[in-house]
Amino acid sequence: NAGVTQTPKFQVLKTGQSMTLQCAQDMNHEYMSWYRQDPGMGLRLIHYSVGAGITDQGEVPNGYNVSRSTTEDFPLRLLSAAPSQTSVYFCASSYVWGPTYEQYFGPGTRLTVT
Amino acid sequence: TQLLEQSPQFLSIQEGENLTVYCNSSSVFSSLQWYRQEPGEGPVLLVTVVTGGEVKKLKRLTFQFGDARKDSSLHITAAQPGDTGLYLCAGAQGGSEKLVFGKGTKLTVNP
Repeated sequence: NAGVTQTPKFQVLKTGQSMTLQCAQDMNHEYMSWYRQDPGMGLRLIHYSVGAGITDQGEVPNGYNVSRSTTEDFPLRLLSAAPSQTSVYFCASSYVWGPTYEQYFGPGTRLTVT
Repeated sequence: TQLLEQSPQFLSIQEGENLTVYCNSSSVFSSLQWYRQEPGEGPVLLVTVVTGGEVKKLKRLTFQFGDARKDSSLHITAAQPGDTGLYLCAGAQGGSEKLVFGKGTKLTVNP
C-alpha cells in the first residue's frame, strides 16, 4: 500500500493564482482531512470529510474549497492564493475504531505564495 | 484559546538522559494520541490512549493518560539521537469527528 500520497511536494504561486493540491489514499478509510502547519501554530484543520459526498469546515476554512467524489481522493483547492496561505499542507486519512480515530498523514506539500 | 497545551515547547538534552513532555487541557477527551514528526515529513502515530489512567509502553517511550482524561504525558528513557523530532499530542472529543492538536514539543537529542 502507498498509504496517503500528496502532489505536488513543492509549489510556488503568485498572489491571485489558483491551484489544486492533490491527496489520495489506498487504505479505504472513510475519514479524510486537510491541515496546514505554520511555525508556532501547530496543525490547524482546514476541511474534513467523513465519507464520499460529505465535507465540512474545520478551524481555518476561508480561501479553500474541497470536494469528495470518491473514497480515495480528497483534493484541496486554493481559489485565489494569498501570501497568508504560505504554509505546509498535510492531508490525512483516518481509521475509526471505538471512541477514536487514528490518522495517517501524507508527506506534505510546501506552498509559497509571493 | 489553545485546547491542548504542550510543554515544554523546546527541549534539548544529551544522549542517555531521561525526559518527560506534557499535554494538558481543561477539557475531557475520549482519547488522546501522540505523534512524532521529523523534518520534511508528515506526523506518524505513536500511540492512542483511551482509558483514564492508562499507561502504554513502546520500547523506551512510556505514555500515560490522566485519570480524568484531561491530560497526558510522554516519558522517554535513555534518549537517543534518533528520538529527535517534533512530538504532537492530539485529542478526540466525544461526538466530534475532529482531532484537536497541541502545538508540539520540539526535542533535540545531542550525541
